[in-house]
Amino acid sequence: QSALTQPASVSGSPGQSITISCTGTSSDVGSYNLVSWYQQHPGKAPKLMIYEVSKRPSGVSNRFSGSKSGNTASLTISGLQAEDEADYYCCSYAGSSTFLVFGGGTKLTVL
Amino acid sequence: QLQLQESGPGLVKPSETLSLTCTVSGGSISSSSYYWGWIRQPPGKGLEWIGSIYYSGSTYYNPSLKSRVTISVDTSKNQFSLKLSSVTAADTAVYYCARLPLAAVIFDYWGQGTLVTVSS
Repeated sequence: QSALTQPASVSGSPGQSITISCTGTSSDVGSYNLVSWYQQHPGKAPKLMIYEVSKRPSGVSNRFSGSKSGNTASLTISGLQAEDEADYYCCSYAGSSTFLVFGGGTKLTVL
Repeated sequence: QLQLQESGPGLVKPSETLSLTCTVSGGSISSSSYYWGWIRQPPGKGLEWIGSIYYSGSTYYNPSLKSRVTISVDTSKNQFSLKLSSVTAADTAVYYCARLPLAAVIFDYWGQGTLVTVSS
């Protein structure tokens, strides 16, 4: 069982918006603004999409945005495109003893 | 452009030690701004952080794997390595190496990954 909880799957039609949640605890997501999101296409290495809750690395589309409320972080993808179909993982800093925890991953299907 | 490349045996017998090396090119592993880490992904499952190391040798390990994991660094070769002892079939996974900027605690550059199968 993963430390952070994500829905197993979400889906949406092209052009729509979807949101993926990532629920942790007061020891990880709730205590630090160090939540990141990764996109992974089949057979590929993960790609960083969001860091420090809501920052986008250079080159990542502004259709991707992140937020956090309490112990839950969220990734929103607007204007869904076929290329967004992938697995998405959240990750959070969890203090000096545990250090890092991942979510179980969410499969996004673009209908 | 920074590149990371994992290398090592693709097949390990149960109870033996899994050993992998990550070679960093296009940048120095001795940079004071980064940790370097290992992450694994069992077939069809999610990501699991294994551990991370600084060029000085300082390490952080996943508490659930800590008793079996050793991560080391060789700055002269621009490499860092993973050893996982007493492996079982549950350790079968794609193993990735990656870079972690200190300030953000993220994985910004990844290797392509290498599949390690534990089987007799």
